[in-house]
Amino acid sequence: DAKTTQPPSMDCAEGRAANLPCNHSTISGNEYVYWYRQIHSQGPQYIIHGLKNNETNEMASLIITEDRKSSTLILPHATLRDTAVYYCIVTTGANSKLTFGKGITLSVRP
Amino acid sequence: GAVVSQHPSWVICKSGTSVKIECRSLDFQATTMFWYRQFPKQSLMLMATSNEGSKATYEQGVEKDKFLINHASLTLSTLTVTSAHPEDSSFYICSARTARQAVGELFFGEGSRLTVL
Repeated sequence: DAKTTQPPSMDCAEGRAANLPCNHSTISGNEYVYWYRQIHSQGPQYIIHGLKNNETNEMASLIITEDRKSSTLILPHATLRDTAVYYCIVTTGANSKLTFGKGITLSVRP
Repeated sequence: GAVVSQHPSWVICKSGTSVKIECRSLDFQATTMFWYRQFPKQSLMLMATSNEGSKATYEQGVEKDKFLINHASLTLSTLTVTSAHPEDSSFYICSARTARQAVGELFFGEGSRLTVL
């Protein structure tokens, strides 16, 4: 599976949009981009995934660049409960394994 | 979404004892379950993959005789840490998926925090 690179941390104000970047320059054509988050001392939670089209669900939007070498997870109206570590993972899913990197710590401030 | 439950949420044991952690899929049948370990301020590390009715596949560096995994039914997998030592203290997290889910979409348990004295 391709490697991803994320900044270690970022913060945003409550109510504002949080845009979390991820680089995956070595992604291959059959690899998906997945986003999970982990709130402190809890198990990770699936957020969204995509292949090449932008995706949106009730939690977030995923914007994937045309060359698929990077993506952005958007939380449209961040709340304090969105403070967590967000993991961007690239995988074909062929063996169903997910490998977690260090992720990005999002801190939402009041 | 689907619910995966772990028990116990936290456990404290003496060095040399064995501890069993259960992972249950409450409202779906999990064909595959995964066990992860997470040390403080670190990311999740995959320990093993288990498919119902077959032996678990362990990641490199994970001792299969120390971390016994049983996936006897489609709703239950157990991880037994045998002869636990303080260095085994960690946050253990299971996850599960069905054959129908997107391949990377996993449901995770709440985690079990093990402290070995």
